[in-house]
Amino acid sequence: DAGVIQSPRHEVTEMGQEVTLRCKPISGHDYLFWYRQTMMRGLELLIYFNNNVPIDDSGMPEDRFSAKMPNASFSTLKIQPSEPRDSAVYFCASSLRGATVLLDTEAFFGQGTRLTVV
Amino acid sequence: AQSVTQLDSHVSVSEGTPVLLRCNYSSSYSPSLFWYVQHPNKGLQLLLKYTSAATLVKGINGFEAEFKKSETSFHLTKPSAHMSDAAEYFCVVLIVGFQKLVFGTGTRLLVSP
Repeated sequence: DAGVIQSPRHEVTEMGQEVTLRCKPISGHDYLFWYRQTMMRGLELLIYFNNNVPIDDSGMPEDRFSAKMPNASFSTLKIQPSEPRDSAVYFCASSLRGATVLLDTEAFFGQGTRLTVV
Repeated sequence: AQSVTQLDSHVSVSEGTPVLLRCNYSSSYSPSLFWYVQHPNKGLQLLLKYTSAATLVKGINGFEAEFKKSETSFHLTKPSAHMSDAAEYFCVVLIVGFQKLVFGTGTRLLVSP
């Protein structure tokens, strides 16, 4: 398996534009996570899905952020409109084990999308 | 609430000397703890994980960590640093029941020749 695949690797956009980040989890994984990494806040969990259903979106900063998982092999994180303070590296991760097997959980991370909003 | 605290934002060592990266956890339950490493411009890679099977956990690249309940610590060590170990290291706790990984603020390891 190629691992978690994120696209694009880099995105530069102007303030006010819509940005869509994409993620393909590892095949067969039933959990998918979106994280944001900044110098100020470190790594923050934004939202995660189980079997394509959003479970916890309490980390999504505001209504400008939305995430979808239309099927088991694809997820998007959308920011509309984007602002300079959204500049960060956004990571997608997936894991195989469900909540009943917590002790054997490992999350695999993609290489991230570096977003710059100017 | 479950959380982790990484006590050092930067650690500098010389190649060939031991590495110690410190992490303390807070958890009401028996925690699941992890160490992840992030090399520059790369994603995050799992180094090792503690899931209560053994208190001394061995990971990849010669790293290991010891879970000490009495000290609420999960420090990462390596006997001899390599230049390739220079990276950022994250101590992580799994939130029980929610499948959420909560990351520490990270420790940047610098290795000098």
